[in-house]
Amino acid sequence: GQQLNQSPQSMFIQEGEDVSMNCTSSSIFNTWLWYKQEPGEGPVLLIALYKAGELTSNGRLTAQFGITRKDSFLNISASIPSDVGIYFCAGRYFYGGGSNYKLTFGKGTLLTVNP
Amino acid sequence: DAGVIQSPRHEVTEMGQEVTLRCKPISGHDYLFWYRQTMMRGLELLIYFNNNVPIDDSGMPEDRFSAKMPNASFSTLKIQPSEPRDSAVYFCASNQGGRFTDTQYFGPGTRLTVL
Repeated sequence: GQQLNQSPQSMFIQEGEDVSMNCTSSSIFNTWLWYKQEPGEGPVLLIALYKAGELTSNGRLTAQFGITRKDSFLNISASIPSDVGIYFCAGRYFYGGGSNYKLTFGKGTLLTVNP
Repeated sequence: DAGVIQSPRHEVTEMGQEVTLRCKPISGHDYLFWYRQTMMRGLELLIYFNNNVPIDDSGMPEDRFSAKMPNASFSTLKIQPSEPRDSAVYFCASNQGGRFTDTQYFGPGTRLTVL
């Protein structure tokens, strides 16, 4: 099956610092997604990327869909305490003529921000 | 919109007991997904439905697990009999359609503990 390698596994940073995390795969995906999960909650979508090479921003977050379609990164600039959580990448691929799809998730990056 | 609703939020049961987890997807969403999250394995897709029909159940661990979607607004995931290794957080997610830009919305999850 398809697997995603997400790194780093965890990060401990000071407020105001920039953060970078990435995902790589041996498989090609049609879409890359980045989610954030806070304690006791389900993952919440942050950014969706649909085309190879696409660079998309959402406030202080920036993500890119790798040219090879096998990787993606997420950057967070000027981190704040509420950025704390687990960040997941997910790759989506379509099958069955395009009407069906699956998401494969990375293992997550635990981000801790020290005020 | 109320978002994806799951119940119960927490379930503690003894080995051998039957467990039923419930999900109400976002109104109008055609796809419904069941995931399991553990520290060791991360987020894993168990099964998903399109228009109430199970499309892919290849992620269901074994025959002890079953899922149904009797109508567009309700789905259940049942474990019978439950085992300690089933302890995990189970998420339900829904999606409006199979279009390229559609994305999943997750519920808050059910934390299952099997003693």
